[in-house]
Amino acid sequence: EPEVTQTPSHQVTQMGQEVILRCVPISNHLYFYWYRQILGQKVEFLVSFYNNEISEKSEIFDDQFSVERPDGSNFTLKIRSTKLEDSAMYFCASSVPRDDQPQHFGDGTRLSIL
Amino acid sequence: AQTVTQSQPEMSVQEAETVTLSCTYDTSESDYYLFWYKQPPSRQMILVIRQEAYKQQNATENRFSVNFQKAAKSFSLKISDSQLGDAAMYFCAYRSMEYGNKLVFGAGTILRVKS
Repeated sequence: EPEVTQTPSHQVTQMGQEVILRCVPISNHLYFYWYRQILGQKVEFLVSFYNNEISEKSEIFDDQFSVERPDGSNFTLKIRSTKLEDSAMYFCASSVPRDDQPQHFGDGTRLSIL
Repeated sequence: AQTVTQSQPEMSVQEAETVTLSCTYDTSESDYYLFWYKQPPSRQMILVIRQEAYKQQNATENRFSVNFQKAAKSFSLKISDSQLGDAAMYFCAYRSMEYGNKLVFGAGTILRVKS
């Protein structure tokens, strides 16, 4: 069964550095999402992306964050000038453009900011 | 804004027994989707079951079923004949049918299965 894949599984970065988290959505999916889960807290929506543009974003997704689909397969989340509070598990998800179809999640990337 | 509440941080069940996980939500919308996702220790979130709010019939997937009470805004998950592989974190999630595709998650319930 096709899967959403995320790399790396664990990223350790110094505070203030830029980090790029990568995702390969399921090939026929056209909606892409990023969520994050701070340790011990809820999974929170960050952003959704469709037709090469952001379709929705949360208040968490400020100017520090950006998303990109640089080619036909990857979907990336860039965090500029990382802060300690960015430490979290980041999940990528994808779905087909049909309302009744669910989002499929990747394994997540654990981001640790030192 | 919609909110999802899971009031049970942790639940335990004996293997082969039945367990019910609770979920309530708050919304002013009349049409929406509700989901239960399972997150085992391997981390990947897997869809367990989904319910469309306009359907009165409760969804069922093998050993998993829901009790959807729209008026009470309640969406509980029943796991029958629990197996060791059911041990995981379970998340209840809401998705609007009208305004965007984002999922709004509850805090999750850790399910432990005893042999």
